[in-house]
Amino acid sequence: GAVVSQHPSRVICKSGTSVKIECRSLDFQATTMFWYRQFPKQSLMLMATSNEGSKATYEQGVEKDKFLINHASLTLSTLTVTSAHPEDSSFYICSANQGSETQYFGPGTRLLVL
Amino acid sequence: GQNIDQPTEMTATEGAIVQINCTYQTSGFNGLFWYQQHAGEAPTFLSYNVLDGLEEKGRFSSFLSRSKGYSYLLLKELQMKDSASYLCAHTGTASKLTFGTGTRLQVTL
Repeated sequence: GAVVSQHPSRVICKSGTSVKIECRSLDFQATTMFWYRQFPKQSLMLMATSNEGSKATYEQGVEKDKFLINHASLTLSTLTVTSAHPEDSSFYICSANQGSETQYFGPGTRLLVL
Repeated sequence: GQNIDQPTEMTATEGAIVQINCTYQTSGFNGLFWYQQHAGEAPTFLSYNVLDGLEEKGRFSSFLSRSKGYSYLLLKELQMKDSASYLCAHTGTASKLTFGTGTRLQVTL
């Protein structure tokens, strides 16, 4: 139980394009989903908290107009990196919980912007 | 994580026991997590402590002292596959996790 998937696992795009990453909870309904970013050899940094049917809550320093989050259902949240630039290249990871404190992580999406 | 401290790297021998320490400071505390992360992969859940004391789960045990802002992860009978980063994280308001930078454990023969 508590399986979270992400798609795509890897994406390479040109600078200036937008990239959409999907996060799905496969066997449970997630009350909350979280989006993290991790640069090489660094900690996971929370970008935003996503609740179904409401606007995402962004952490300080994260541009909401650049990182668009849509939480369409209790099993799906999407993160769109708009007008991606090389500095946005990172490992993006989502997580979900089902009402308890424990977060279950997706496998991550490695984004490379050329 | 600015307010979570754990050693950057540790090395231990296969079959041995290793303890990874974590200290933290936070105003709102709802629990302490340990996650394992292999290179290039997402973290996997290991343990969650909300009360003081030791939680044992197979080869892995986790300890928490809330008054001291201290936790440790104990790994017994180390195996080569245990080579990974071990992330300490605390949860506060709205179930948000704050992660430490992780401890990179290298298990050697």
